[in-house]
Amino acid sequence: GAVVSQHPSRVICKSGTSVKIECRSLDFQATTMFWYRQFPKKSLMLMATSNEGSKATYEQGVEKDKFLINHASLTLSTLTVTSAHPEDSSFYICSARTTSGVYEQYFGPGTRLTVT
Amino acid sequence: AQTVTQSQPEMSVQEAETVTLSCTYDTSENNYYLFWYKQPPSRQMILVIRQEAYKQQNATENRFSVNFQKAAKSFSLKISDSQLGDTAMYFCAFMNNDMRFGAGTRLTVKP
Repeated sequence: GAVVSQHPSRVICKSGTSVKIECRSLDFQATTMFWYRQFPKKSLMLMATSNEGSKATYEQGVEKDKFLINHASLTLSTLTVTSAHPEDSSFYICSARTTSGVYEQYFGPGTRLTVT
Repeated sequence: AQTVTQSQPEMSVQEAETVTLSCTYDTSENNYYLFWYKQPPSRQMILVIRQEAYKQQNATENRFSVNFQKAAKSFSLKISDSQLGDTAMYFCAFMNNDMRFGAGTRLTVKP
C-alpha cells in the first residue's frame, strides 16, 4: 500500500526558533498534500493544501507567514513553523493524494512538536 | 463549506457484540467520498472503510460495514463481533476537494 513518512516524529524547540517538518510519499507520486493539526483528544483540523509547484492554499485562520509550506516535488512537502511559540505545540499530520486517480488520501504517522 | 458531525463523543461495547457509530454531514455537492478512520494511541490514521457517494450499495470490509443514506446525509459505521483491538478513536471524514473530519468518537471495547 501507499506509504507516507514524516520526519521528525518528535521535536522539541525553543520559543522563537523555527522548525521544519518533512512529509514524503515513499512509493507513489502525490500532486496534492495536506497538512493537519491535531490538539490532544481533538479532531484533525485542515491547515493547508499544497499542490506540487504552486503556492499552498491556507484555511481561514491559519497564518501563512507562520506556517510556511513548500511542495517542491511530487514526493516531498515541508511545513516550517517559524518563530515558534508554546501555543504552536501540537501534533502535525500530513497526508498525500495519489496521481493515479484513486480518490484517497494516505496519512503520515505525525510529528509531535513541543515548543518550550 | 462541508461539515461533519459525530454526536457521540464516547461509546463502549462488550467484546463480541455489535456497535454503531453515527455520522452526519452537510454538503451541497453531489459527488464526494466518505470515510471512517481509526486512530489508535499511536495516532497513525488507519483507513477502516470508504464509500463513494455515487454508489448506492453500502460498503463492507469484513466486520465493518456502513449505512449510507445519501438523502439524509448520514453515514454510520457498524462494527460487528467487536474485538479489544478495535478500541480507538474513530473519525468520520468527508472528501471532495479536501478531507474534513468529524470530532471523533472514542470507542472502548470491554472484555
